[in-house]
Amino acid sequence: QSVLTQPPSVSAAPGQKVSISCSGSSSDIGNNFVSWYQQLPGTAPKLLIYDDNKRPSVIPDRFSGSKSATSATLGISGLQTGDEADYYCGTWHSSLGAGVFGGGTKLTVL
Amino acid sequence: EVQLLESGGGLVQTGGSLRLSCVASGFTFGSYAMSWVRQAPGKGLEWVSAISGSGANTFYAGSVKGRFTTSRDNYLKTLYLQMNSLTVEDTAVYYCAKDDFYAVVNFDCWGQGTLVTVSS
Repeated sequence: QSVLTQPPSVSAAPGQKVSISCSGSSSDIGNNFVSWYQQLPGTAPKLLIYDDNKRPSVIPDRFSGSKSATSATLGISGLQTGDEADYYCGTWHSSLGAGVFGGGTKLTVL
Repeated sequence: EVQLLESGGGLVQTGGSLRLSCVASGFTFGSYAMSWVRQAPGKGLEWVSAISGSGANTFYAGSVKGRFTTSRDNYLKTLYLQMNSLTVEDTAVYYCAKDDFYAVVNFDCWGQGTLVTVSS
């Protein structure tokens, strides 16, 4: 069971927007930056969002991140079939002195 | 170009040992914390361990503490993961990942992964 809680799956039609939530506690999300990763089938994860809401320069602005208290959200707009992947949130857990990930969310673009 | 290349995975019996390596290129290796992250077959990501840029500080997940040791050689630009007392639950693809100055889970570069299979 993961420290951070994500919905197992989400789905939406091409062109629509979807949000993926990540719930934690004051020991992790509440006091540390959150990052988001996309993992396409058979490949290594790729950083989408860091420091809660910043995008690496190679990531399109269709991807966005936000955080409020002990929860974070990844938003993906203008969905494309190529966005079908597993998405993970991650952060540092101050009490554990360890990194933690969410269980992952499988995005299906119908 | 920032690159990470893992090696050392393979098949090992329960109770055995294995050492993984991760060679870095394209960035000032010693300036960044590094981590190991694993993914069991069909499962999600699991953070395993991190090490500070100098190597002075190491951090471990509870599931591997006391069995795994992370180290680095900044001259060789190489990260290591020594895995002892392996169990079938350690079967996974192991990724090395480049973190920020501190270990904060901000992995902007990942290796391709190396598969570790522990058989009973």
